[in-house]
Amino acid sequence: DAGVIQSPRHEVTEMGQEVTLRCKPISGHNSLFWYRQTMMRGLELLIYFNNNVPIDDSGMPEDRFSAKMPNASFSTLKIQPSEPRDSAVYFCASRPSGGSYNEQFFGPGTRLTVL
Amino acid sequence: DAKTTQPNSMESNEEEPVHLPCNHSTISGTDYIHWYRQLPSQGPEYVIHGLTSNVNNRMASLAIAEDRKSSTLILHRATLRDAAVYYCIPNQAGTALIFGKGTTLSVSS
Repeated sequence: DAGVIQSPRHEVTEMGQEVTLRCKPISGHNSLFWYRQTMMRGLELLIYFNNNVPIDDSGMPEDRFSAKMPNASFSTLKIQPSEPRDSAVYFCASRPSGGSYNEQFFGPGTRLTVL
Repeated sequence: DAKTTQPNSMESNEEEPVHLPCNHSTISGTDYIHWYRQLPSQGPEYVIHGLTSNVNNRMASLAIAEDRKSSTLILHRATLRDAAVYYCIPNQAGTALIFGKGTTLSVSS
């Protein structure tokens, strides 16, 4: 299995530009999570989906951020317009259905730099 | 979510055992205790989890206090590759993991 796939791995953009981060979860996993990691704030949950439906988006910073999951094998996190304070590593994770524990499988992350 | 307290950092020598403590005094009766770690420049990865009984797997052991208000992750023989941030996360099955600050483990040769 290829694991959780994120693209791009690195993104450098200028303030005001639109940024789209992409995630392909592990096949068969029905939950998908987006996290953001900075030195100041650590690893923060932004939003998560169950069966392609957003369950909790309370961690989404503001209206500039939006996330979609049009099907079970693809999700996007969009920032428009981007700001320098959005610079962070963004992780996507997925989890299989069922079970009594929460083993989440994380992707390698996308390092975003907003100039 | 239960509040956790972990040391900011710990140091170990290679081949020695490491005991990483975590206090989670507000844990609920149905919360599992998960441990994840994050190696440098990587996403977090699962280490071990438990509910009430001590657990062992190929990576580590998890010792859970009888009152479940604390737990200890045990690495039996630390290697340089074990240098990472270790997160203790109590949470309900089916919900998202919420990460705290974790413990940064340094391993020296």
